[in-house]
Amino acid sequence: QSALTQPPSASGSPGQSVTISCTGTSSDVGGYNYVSWYQQHPGKAPKLMIYEVSKRPSGVPDRFSGSKSGNTASLTVSGLQAEDEADYYCTSYAGSPWVFGGGTKLTVL
Amino acid sequence: EVQLVESGGGLVQPGGSLRLSCAASGFTFSSYSMNWVRQAPGKGLEWVSYIRYGASSTIYYADSVKGRFTISRDNAKNSLYLQMNSLRAEDTAVYYCARINYYAMDVWGQGTTVTVSS
Repeated sequence: QSALTQPPSASGSPGQSVTISCTGTSSDVGGYNYVSWYQQHPGKAPKLMIYEVSKRPSGVPDRFSGSKSGNTASLTVSGLQAEDEADYYCTSYAGSPWVFGGGTKLTVL
Repeated sequence: EVQLVESGGGLVQPGGSLRLSCAASGFTFSSYSMNWVRQAPGKGLEWVSYIRYGASSTIYYADSVKGRFTISRDNAKNSLYLQMNSLRAEDTAVYYCARINYYAMDVWGQGTTVTVSS
């Protein structure tokens, strides 16, 4: 299984919206509605932000949203805030092994 | 409070062994499948191993650890384990255990650090 493809970096100013992409194949992202997104601040454990492509766990602000088209999933952060600056990882359940994206460092300018 | 706490990390020489533990609390551990995920210094997340809920009949490993690592669980002790043998420098990482819910990892431990070096 190959890693999912994410842009290494993304940025936006406070209040703006940023979208991070996650590209896989028909065997993972395109084949299952099981894409999830994780936020990780330096030195901390990852935190689940989105599951099943577009669902938010309790406590995650509605500024975070997810979508999918074909083999590419996306995470959109609206109304950027300073605390959103972190690394973001996508993953897709792929039948047997799990596949992670390489991660995107989101910078709030 | 739902919680996962890893332990067992440390410094080990190449070729050595370590056993990581993950203690679960605040939920019915036997009802959830679990993952081990690792993160090498300055790198991204890498899935390591999966064990299904219940009687642990389904287990998967990443190719990078297959044949060297063994995942197991003791539902009576609410604990998950990762036995790591024939350790290599490239196994140096923070190791996280994570609960799987709706095909996502919704609860993570704080991580335990494994350093493989002579």
